[in-house]
Amino acid sequence: AQKVTQAQTEISVVEKEDVTLDCVYETRDTTYYLFWYKQPPSGELVFLIRRNSFDEQNEISGRYSWNFQKSTSSFNFTITASQVVDSAVYFCALNSNYQLIWGAGTKLIIKP
Amino acid sequence: NAGVTQTPKFRILKIGQSMTLQCAQDMNHNYMYWYRQDPGMGLKLIYYSVGAGITDKGEVPNGYNVSRSTTEDFPLRLELAAPSQTSVYFCASSLSRVEPYEQYFGPGTRLTVT
Repeated sequence: AQKVTQAQTEISVVEKEDVTLDCVYETRDTTYYLFWYKQPPSGELVFLIRRNSFDEQNEISGRYSWNFQKSTSSFNFTITASQVVDSAVYFCALNSNYQLIWGAGTKLIIKP
Repeated sequence: NAGVTQTPKFRILKIGQSMTLQCAQDMNHNYMYWYRQDPGMGLKLIYYSVGAGITDKGEVPNGYNVSRSTTEDFPLRLELAAPSQTSVYFCASSLSRVEPYEQYFGPGTRLTVT
């Protein structure tokens, strides 16, 4: 069965702290893709990153970084030096054929 | 490019009424999707389409219908609205299935059925 688990329902940190959002997935596919999306309070869904199963290199984009570990079926997302504008719900998703299987999301609250 | 557009943004329906949620994209994407997002939850796929004239059911298709007569448009029809269909509906599109590219989302339609 394909499944994505985001165990952290809500995280609250003070601005400038680092924060890591966890994502654990289950799949029988040998080739798959993982995604992170951001949903700010305004409600739209914003694509952040796509990673295929053959590429285990960590990725860094500014204050954002992603740690993909096939051995633990995890694709965690870290925000360094968080800012209030990072407050949002973050979703991890797994591609299964042409469908995205979504986690329940982690609500991130950054306090000033 | 306008990207993915959805209308209306908000709608209140009475139980048993019907309506069509409109979705259009101008990126020439073959793949289009309809999701619903219930409060505090992730997205669930209702229907998807791999091209004009081709549609298929997703995880939660009951109570909905779709059509895809053109590449650009992918309307979602609700027949006999029920309170369980109160949700936020997102339309999305993506470039290709050969390699699963990111999906681009519309702004959503917030639907309340009372």
